Amino acid sequence: AQTVTQSQPEMSVQEAETVTLSCTYDTSENNYYLFWYKQPPSRQMILVIRQEAYKQQNATENRFSVNFQKAAKSFSLKISDSQLGDTAMYFCAFTLNFGNEKLTFGTGTRLTIIP
Amino acid sequence: ETGVTQTPRHLVMGMTNKKSLKCEQHLGHNAMYWYKQSAKKPLELMFVYSLEERVENNSVPSRFSPECPNSSHLFLHLHTLQPEDSALYLCASSQDKAPANYGYTFGSGTRLTVV
Repeated sequence: AQTVTQSQPEMSVQEAETVTLSCTYDTSENNYYLFWYKQPPSRQMILVIRQEAYKQQNATENRFSVNFQKAAKSFSLKISDSQLGDTAMYFCAFTLNFGNEKLTFGTGTRLTIIP
Repeated sequence: ETGVTQTPRHLVMGMTNKKSLKCEQHLGHNAMYWYKQSAKKPLELMFVYSLEERVENNSVPSRFSPECPNSSHLFLHLHTLQPEDSALYLCASSQDKAPANYGYTFGSGTRLTVV
């Protein structure tokens, strides 16, 4: 079974600084997808960024980028120029790319941006 | 508008009550999910419906009873719950059962408190 581990329960950073959230996963498969979701106080989980395992290039979405290290099974999220609206829970998630596989989530990291 | 709407937003119920959670999506997705989110735990997948047919039940106690009358609506019927069932219940939808392409679209959840 696949597992996802987020070892940082809470983090805080000053506004405009850069912060990196860590995620590791365990799988014996080679073809899969990784995601970062954001859950603000409104509670709706919002997809932040997605990475396909067969792509070596790290995904980027505006201020959000990932550092995908396939051999190390690591998938960290970097938030640049952090903003107050980035305050949220961040969840790393994994899914295999076949059949009816489902998303497996980590325990989340609570990120607070300090004004 | 999130695309996935959950009602009610908050629910307090006694252990002998019967209540229902509702989820509605108008994204044209054909798979819907119930997740339980408890503090400091990964999201727990409870039920999966694909084309209105239940395809997975992850050993959820029978006091939780799902219903999917059509591809746009999903219910979770609750009866004789326990205090440990207090949690945030999230509904999600996706196109097909494989979320690899774009993950899931989530609702804002129902915060359930069992007293």
